Amino acid sequence: KNEVEQSPQNLTAQEGEFITINCSYSVGISALHWLQQHPGGGIVSLFMLSSGKKKHGRLIATINIQEKHSSLHITASHPRDSAVYICAVRIQGGSEKLVFGKGTKLTVNP
Amino acid sequence: KAGVTQTPRYLIKTRGQQVTLSCSPISGHRSVSWYQQTPGQGLQFLFEYFSETQRNKGNFPGRFSGRQFSNSRSEMNVSTLELGDSALYLCASSLGVPQNNEQFFGPGTRLTVL
Repeated sequence: KNEVEQSPQNLTAQEGEFITINCSYSVGISALHWLQQHPGGGIVSLFMLSSGKKKHGRLIATINIQEKHSSLHITASHPRDSAVYICAVRIQGGSEKLVFGKGTKLTVNP
Repeated sequence: KAGVTQTPRYLIKTRGQQVTLSCSPISGHRSVSWYQQTPGQGLQFLFEYFSETQRNKGNFPGRFSGRQFSNSRSEMNVSTLELGDSALYLCASSLGVPQNNEQFFGPGTRLTVL
């Protein structure tokens, strides 16, 4: 079983819809990251969370440490939001390496 | 401020050869991390450097090595290339240790091993 699981794997939405991507993890973590990867490979760091909730524009990220779960929400989705969204956790203690989920491919249709 | 740059952007090698990839972090950033991305395995952590010291290493064979220079630029080397080493290699820089700082990713080097 992967240490980081994301759902869904693929998501298709219509422009304007509210979108939720989920991330569950099975290890103790010091931080959780949400990343966005557009076709062509470039990765942008969206959020780094260790507790609570963060908001940036139309993007909201939440984390529940007790339940080992995080969600990324996109409000009023737009075709330019089409990308792969990747959840990554920094494992607590020891090497503190970053472990990645497999990603959620989001397609927003106009 | 210029972003993270990686050279070369594309590379084609044959099995058994070796390759060196370069990463120049954002000016002032002292930490560089390297990642491998393949369709099958997704993103995997390779190395993390801070102030010329390797702080962490992922679960990769010894054929994968790296280093960081005094100007924070970093290189990674893969020797005796195998077909499975074909991947997008990404580096990311951060101001301080990545545990406490946001990472900024470069565009990646796409390596194809024939």
